[in-house]
Amino acid sequence: GESVGLHLPTLSVQEGDNSIINCAYSNSASDYFIWYKQESGKGPQFIIDIRSNMDKRQGQRVTVLLNKTVKHLSLQIAATQPGDSAVYFCAESSGNTPLVFGKGTRLSVIA
Amino acid sequence: EAQVTQNPRYLITVTGKKLTVTCSQNMNHEYMSWYRQDPGLGLRQIYYSMNVEVTDKGDVPEGYKVSRKEKRNFPLILESPSPNQTSLYFCASSPWSLNTEAFFGQGTRLTVV
Repeated sequence: GESVGLHLPTLSVQEGDNSIINCAYSNSASDYFIWYKQESGKGPQFIIDIRSNMDKRQGQRVTVLLNKTVKHLSLQIAATQPGDSAVYFCAESSGNTPLVFGKGTRLSVIA
Repeated sequence: EAQVTQNPRYLITVTGKKLTVTCSQNMNHEYMSWYRQDPGLGLRQIYYSMNVEVTDKGDVPEGYKVSRKEKRNFPLILESPSPNQTSLYFCASSPWSLNTEAFFGQGTRLTVV
């Protein structure tokens, strides 16, 4: 079946630098994408989402970019802080189907 | 405070002893679901429910049951737990559509010995 994956399982960045977390998806019918952050011992928390009629969406210090041509999704975190250390999941759905999650990328922020 | 509440947070049980993990949400959401999270496998959906009395299998439903008798509650039932069901379980809810943000509970860590 279709699946959502991530290019890198781990990412280490220096505090203050920008982080980019990537996600590839294979279902060309996917029309909704979402990023979650999961801190140790907690449930996933919503960060930002984007629908397929957009290619960019910005939140507070975060930006999601969607490239439907190559089926690629990225999460950019500006001025990465120690509190950003977590596992980040992308998820996608098509039509009215349940979210399919990627396996996650662990972001480590080096002080 | 809007939240999804799971109980218990931690549970150790023995093979074959029936157990129920409860999930309750106070946001009047139609859609609820259960996931299990295992190292290297990410979040995999067990069951989901579009509304009261409507449930569907997710990707890994074997060995699990659910019920949705009322909107706010969506318990996960393991009739005869086995060690391969040792995992971290999450309940989630979302409003009116699947194509929208899901709110997750804090998780239930289950160990079956």
